Amino acid sequence: NAGVTQTPKFRVLKTGQSMTLLCAQDMNHEYMYWYRQDPGMGLRLIHYSVGEGTTAKGEVPDGYNVSRLKKQNFLLGLESAAPSQTSVYFCASSYDWDEQYFGPGTRLTVT
Amino acid sequence: AQKITQTQPGMFVQEKEAVTLDCTYDTSDQSYGLFWYKQPSSGEMIFLIYQGSYDEQNATEGRYSLNFQKARKSANLVISASQLGDSAMYFCAMREGDRQFYFGTGTSLTVIP
Repeated sequence: NAGVTQTPKFRVLKTGQSMTLLCAQDMNHEYMYWYRQDPGMGLRLIHYSVGEGTTAKGEVPDGYNVSRLKKQNFLLGLESAAPSQTSVYFCASSYDWDEQYFGPGTRLTVT
Repeated sequence: AQKITQTQPGMFVQEKEAVTLDCTYDTSDQSYGLFWYKQPSSGEMIFLIYQGSYDEQNATEGRYSLNFQKARKSANLVISASQLGDSAMYFCAMREGDRQFYFGTGTSLTVIP
């Protein structure tokens, strides 16, 4: 039982490049989330999903897209990376609007 | 306006003593949830405790309790009998309705032997 896993753990991008972060959970949770954590800012919700095939915007969705084609996976895409997207990205999942289980995080640097 | 406010950037507590971490929230929703998470230096986020807006009793989980004062819009975390392993960042968070989550900026707790 791996819980929530994130791929990759680290990534360096040049401005304008694109990439996809993968989140996978094996707890059969309906709800999945993507957050970013910046120094002194706490976590901010980017997008979330309440079930397979659904997505919704969080507090800071601009510059990101997401997809939930399978219940266990939630993908976060950056189409044209900017230095302002340098951050630590956390994925989380939950059974309902309750306790969230977090992945280990992905550290992304955009130069 | 900030949805979650944590006014204590850093706190120190003696081992075995109790400590209170402050959290105030701002919402006009009647239905909301309040959470506390711990983030050790290793970086993972660990769920500690949850309080629903309709829950009349304060939530407790082992050494953690949530002091919920609805009229004051506060949801303070109380850690009893602090241990060295409690040294970490602590984040207060709010689920607003069924659509958004907000986290505070965190409080860094250091437990002194």
